[in-house]
Amino acid sequence: AQSVTQLDSQVPVFEEAPVELRCNYSSSVSVYLFWYVQYPNQGLQLLLKYLSGSTLVKGINGFEAEFNKSQTSFHLRKPSVHISDTAEYFCAALNTGGFKTIFGAGTRLFVKA
Amino acid sequence: DSGVTQTPKHLITATGQRVTLRCSPRSGDLSVYWYQQSLDQGLQFLIQYYNGEERAKGNILERFSAQQFPDLHSELNLSSLELGDSALYFCASSVGLPGSSYEQYFGPGTRLTVT
Repeated sequence: AQSVTQLDSQVPVFEEAPVELRCNYSSSVSVYLFWYVQYPNQGLQLLLKYLSGSTLVKGINGFEAEFNKSQTSFHLRKPSVHISDTAEYFCAALNTGGFKTIFGAGTRLFVKA
Repeated sequence: DSGVTQTPKHLITATGQRVTLRCSPRSGDLSVYWYQQSLDQGLQFLIQYYNGEERAKGNILERFSAQQFPDLHSELNLSSLELGDSALYFCASSVGLPGSSYEQYFGPGTRLTVT
């Protein structure tokens, strides 16, 4: 991947509302795609990944993401968020056969009561 | 707990000094990655090692160097420190073998403060 763009730097949302965090990548070859979450004062942890196969990927904590090759997107969704989902979310891409994972700038999700 | 350990958790030092950050990867992981995270620059990839050899380089300054030892632990050396080097430094590890999924497991980070 040459670049990963997370279109929103901050997303405020009310508790129990749905949310979508947008991610686009650019690459001339096939990619693996990842979403990581970083809770305050912690390291990143993997939410979900797309390697191949079904374009809808389910992850931990009720999150899912859809790989869209034609739009080079990998948007993250959750139908109903909780206060505890407040964190920073990073989209990342790795060229298949490559070594260097490219991370987006991050989207800060803020869930309000 | 990701299985990746980093020491120390916090480090406060003065400009011009040199520090060493240490990382132990998950058991069985051959690749180690170093990242710098700051408020103004976000998450920046610094360098990756695989089984003792440098595999990929990112935005690593010449004042910074790293190595991976035969037991697979890694050290990141930061020298001639400047105020702008204050950041969270993360280590991550992955299996790194061809055909693996390359997902990374992150340590808790070392918070470096340069005064």
